[in-house]
Amino acid sequence: DAGVIQSPRHEVTEMGQEVTLRCKPISGHNSLFWYRQTMMRGLELLIYFNNNVPIDDSGMPEDRFSAKMPNASFSTLKIQPSEPRDSAVYFCASSPRSDEQFFGPGTRLTVL
Amino acid sequence: SQQGEEDPQALSIQEGENATMNCSYKTSINNLQWYRQNSGRGLVHLILIRSNEREKHSGRLRVTLDTSKKSSSLLITASRAADTASYFCATDAFVGKLIFGQGTELSVKP
Repeated sequence: DAGVIQSPRHEVTEMGQEVTLRCKPISGHNSLFWYRQTMMRGLELLIYFNNNVPIDDSGMPEDRFSAKMPNASFSTLKIQPSEPRDSAVYFCASSPRSDEQFFGPGTRLTVL
Repeated sequence: SQQGEEDPQALSIQEGENATMNCSYKTSINNLQWYRQNSGRGLVHLILIRSNEREKHSGRLRVTLDTSKKSSSLLITASRAADTASYFCATDAFVGKLIFGQGTELSVKP
């Protein structure tokens, strides 16, 4: 199994641009999570899906952030418009049950 | 707000020594998990301990849980340079949702 796949691995963009991060969970996992990690705030849960349905999006910072999961094998996290304070490493994780989570390698986002 | 808080924030030891990291949390839990993160990589699950368990072992890892004190500890025995990483505890706020602590940065010197 390839594990959780995220793309791109690195993204550098300018303030105001739209950014789309992509995630392919492990096949058969029914839960998917988006996290953001920064030195200041640590690892924060942004949103999570169960069976493709958003269950809790209380961690999404503001309306500039949106996430979708159109099917069991794909999810996107979009930031529009991006701001410098969005610079962070964004992780996607999936889980077959309500316990152990499997993390992807992350996308390092830099907004100039 | 953070559910889990690790202590110490950083730990430096020599290869072969034991490393102990602690985690405290605030609310009732179903389980507590420990994860490792190597620099620039994603988190890797190490071990899960349920609220009705007091101790669990996995290889060189030993985890304890004291629900009365709302605390857990992770012991790595006979540490190796390859154990150098950040270690996080995570608690389940409710089913499926984990809240991570700030982590302990472990450095094992050869």
